[in-house]
Amino acid sequence: DTAVSQTPKYLVTQMGNDKSIKCEQNLGHDTMYWYKQDSKKFLKIMFSYNNKELIINETVPNRFSPKSPDKAHLNLHINSLELGDSAVYFCASSHYLGGVEGANEKLFFGSGTQLSVL
Amino acid sequence: AQSVTQLGSHVSVSEGALVLLRCNYSSSVPPYLFWYVQYPNQGLQLLLKYTTGATLVKGINGFEAEFKKSETSFHLTKPSAHMSDAAEYFCAVTVYNTDKLIFGTGTRLQVFP
Repeated sequence: DTAVSQTPKYLVTQMGNDKSIKCEQNLGHDTMYWYKQDSKKFLKIMFSYNNKELIINETVPNRFSPKSPDKAHLNLHINSLELGDSAVYFCASSHYLGGVEGANEKLFFGSGTQLSVL
Repeated sequence: AQSVTQLGSHVSVSEGALVLLRCNYSSSVPPYLFWYVQYPNQGLQLLLKYTTGATLVKGINGFEAEFKKSETSFHLTKPSAHMSDAAEYFCAVTVYNTDKLIFGTGTRLQVFP
């Protein structure tokens, strides 16, 4: 039983196309994230949702639109794909903890979606 | 602004040798620090974390890290490397009451027989 699952695992597409990546978690977490890992392995947060509400949007182009139909799902839709969008995209989830414990005590990551834009 | 710097994008050790992966942080407030490991074709797994309390933290697979405020460091160590430790290791920092992790650029650990 995969805790955080994302599909597809691999996505190869042409420039200009629109594509979606789906993510689901069965851990009962209320916060979900999208991270982008570039070719140099650098990980950067893109979005964070808490209880279906957008919390973090890190200067990501408008072509990227996350959608959270419920707490267990956070999908990523990308319009007009560009070459520079090629990367590995990781979905993650956690409990949102404010106060002393802080947030992001433990993130659970999906296995990633390798996006290649040709 | 918070940040982490991982010194050395590649580290190679022999099986049984000491593993030392370096991480320095920058934070104007008390940081929460993490080490994550990424095995090939997999997502990240949490190795260990420091929030408050004891500065030497022990994680999974025999790894440990020590928070040194005076040196702004959080280096990851393991006394004896195994072949299965070969992976990419990420240091990360988050700040009290935020929902954001900031990752370093990663260190690739290779273990030779």
